[in-house]
Amino acid sequence: DQQVKQNSPSLSVQEGRISILNCDYTNSMFDYFLWYKKYPAEGPTFLISISSIKDKNEDGRFTVFLNKSAKHLSLHIVPSQPGDSAVYFCAASWTGIGNQFYFGTGTSLTVIP
Amino acid sequence: ETGVTQSPTHLIKTRGQQVTLRCSSQSGHNTVSWYQQALGQGPQFIFQYYREEENGRGNFPPRFSGLQFPNYSSELNVNALELDDSALYLCASSGQGSDGGSSYTGELFFGEGSRLTVL
Repeated sequence: DQQVKQNSPSLSVQEGRISILNCDYTNSMFDYFLWYKKYPAEGPTFLISISSIKDKNEDGRFTVFLNKSAKHLSLHIVPSQPGDSAVYFCAASWTGIGNQFYFGTGTSLTVIP
Repeated sequence: ETGVTQSPTHLIKTRGQQVTLRCSSQSGHNTVSWYQQALGQGPQFIFQYYREEENGRGNFPPRFSGLQFPNYSSELNVNALELDDSALYLCASSGQGSDGGSSYTGELFFGEGSRLTVL
C-alpha cells in the first residue's frame, strides 16, 4: 500500500523556468514532510521540510507548498538550473515515530540548458 | 562535522548467504535508521535504532536484524539472502529532539548506501 505517491516519473524543464514536482499522500496522520534530491551513486540529500502547521516553506530557490485538505504537496524550484537535474523524493511521517518515513517513488527532473 | 559513512559500497552475494552492512552516524547523532531502496522505488523503512535498541520496524521479516553500538554506529544483517534482497541499502542518522527521546521526527541525513546484488 503506497501511502506516498509521486505520479510523474519524469519531468523536463528549460533552464531558468519553474520546476513543479508533485506528491500526494493518503495517511491523514502524516504531519511532517521532507523533500530529498538524489544523484546517481549518492545517497539522498535533504532539501527542505514542512510541518502540517504551515502551508508554505521557502529556502532560496526551493519552496514547498502543503495542501492538507487535498493531501497534496508540491516542490517549486525557481529558477531551475542544470545542476538541479536529479531524482526528487518526497517523504512523510508523523511526529513521535522517529525516523520512520514513507517515501514516494521519485520524480526524475531534467533541466535542459 | 563528519557525515554518515557506509561500508562496503558494493558487494555481491549468492542466494542463502548472509551479509553485514555497516554505518557510522553523523557526529552528534544518536539515532540510526536503515532503508532499502529497490530499483525504481523509493526508500523503504527497515528499522530504527536508538540507545542500542531497536525502536520501530517496518514490514521486513526477522531475517533482517541490526545492532547499534555505544558510539552510535550500526550494522544491518540479512540472513538467508533472497534474490529480491538485491537493492541499495541506505543508512540515515538524525539528532535528538528536545524531549530527548527516540520519538523525535526530523531531517534524516543519509549515507551513500551499500549496493547489494544477490545472485
